[in-house]
This record gives sequence, C-alpha cells and structure tokens, in this order.
Amino acid sequence: ETGVTQTPRHLVMGMTNKKSLKCEQHLGHNAMYWYKQSAKKPLELMFVYNFKEQTENNSVPSRFSPECPNSSHLFLHLHTLQPEDSALYLCASRPGQTDTQYFGPGTRLTVL
Amino acid sequence: DQQVKQNSPSLSVQEGRISILNCDYTNSMFDYFLWYKKYPAEGPTFLISISSIKDKNEDGRFTVFLNKSAKHLSLHIVPSQPGDSAVYFCAASAGDYKLSFGAGTTVTVRA
Repeated sequence: ETGVTQTPRHLVMGMTNKKSLKCEQHLGHNAMYWYKQSAKKPLELMFVYNFKEQTENNSVPSRFSPECPNSSHLFLHLHTLQPEDSALYLCASRPGQTDTQYFGPGTRLTVL
Repeated sequence: DQQVKQNSPSLSVQEGRISILNCDYTNSMFDYFLWYKKYPAEGPTFLISISSIKDKNEDGRFTVFLNKSAKHLSLHIVPSQPGDSAVYFCAASAGDYKLSFGAGTTVTVRA
C-alpha cells in the first residue's frame, strides 16, 4: 500500500543550518510517526502523533522539533544538528485500531 | 535495550529454494508481530503479520510461524525469487500501537 510521501529524498546540511523534512500521507490515517534509521541498526522511534496530538517523544534531543498541523502532514524541523544525526529518517502512518504502519521512502540526511 | 533481535545479518539462498529468516524477542507483552521488506532507497513495505493467538499465518509464498514459549518467530519464503533480495525487518507490538524493530536481515537470492 503506497500513499506516504516524503520530501526531500536527500538532504545535506551544515551543523548551523535549519532545515525541515516533510511527510504527507494520502491514506486517511490518523496516526503518524517519525523514525530514525542508522546503518545496520533497528529503526528508532522518535515521535508519535495521534489526531494531530503528540503522544510520544522518545527522549529525542530538542534540536529535532516535530510539527503536525493536521492528520495528513507531519514535519520534522532540524536545527544545529550533529554529524551523528546523519541517518535515514522515515515517516509512517497508521489507520486506527491496527498495529500495521505504512512507511514513506525516507529522507537520507547527511550533516557535515 | 533491544527487545527484538535478528541475529543473522545476512542470508544467501539459491533461487527456487526456501529462505528462512529468524527473529527473537524478549518482551512477553508483545502480542502482534510483523515482517517488513525494504529495498534500497525505499521505505519498509509491510509483508505479513501474525497475532499471538495464532502460531502460523500464510500469504502466498510467505509464511510466518510464531513460537510464544520460545519467544521466537520465523518467516519462510518458498520458493525464493530474485525479487525477494532485500532487507527484512521483524517488528513487534505490545498493543500500544508502537513497533519495536530488529536490525534486519539482508537476503540475497542467487540465480
């Protein structure tokens, strides 16, 4: 099942830059997630939103700031990142009453 | 603390043969298990799932087996095809709509 898009697909930024990642889902789902995937590691849950309300912040540093203006859109605002923040950032959405999540293609982030 | 483990980082199998991927978990509260498949430059794609009330679920060439007493699940792909070459992630949920993922197993299907 497709329908989750992420932009940009690739991003290179310096440590002092501010950038934003965007996720959009066209599936009518009510829950949206941000994950970080570093090489050879499991996906790490960052944030969860249900009906636009944040329900989970998995001890994520404040240099990552999520925003969910509505159930279809999710942003991740990035500010003064570190090189170790370089990773694949994945967005997912989930319909109600199920555990199955549907992922976007991810944004490959490189912090110089 | 990693609650879902995939101890084999890679698996190579000949086309037409069976691929068996394994996953172990430590959290006894997990009651729903999923397998995802990921190609390079794409996000994970849902493949198959199983509830803890079952011990087997089948969907075409893919079968997932759950052994609750051993806290172990496996994914069987038969017959394996070249398009099955991908990274496979095991995931589990404790009914809280959050998934814990394993680190993945890279499957290579040889012609």
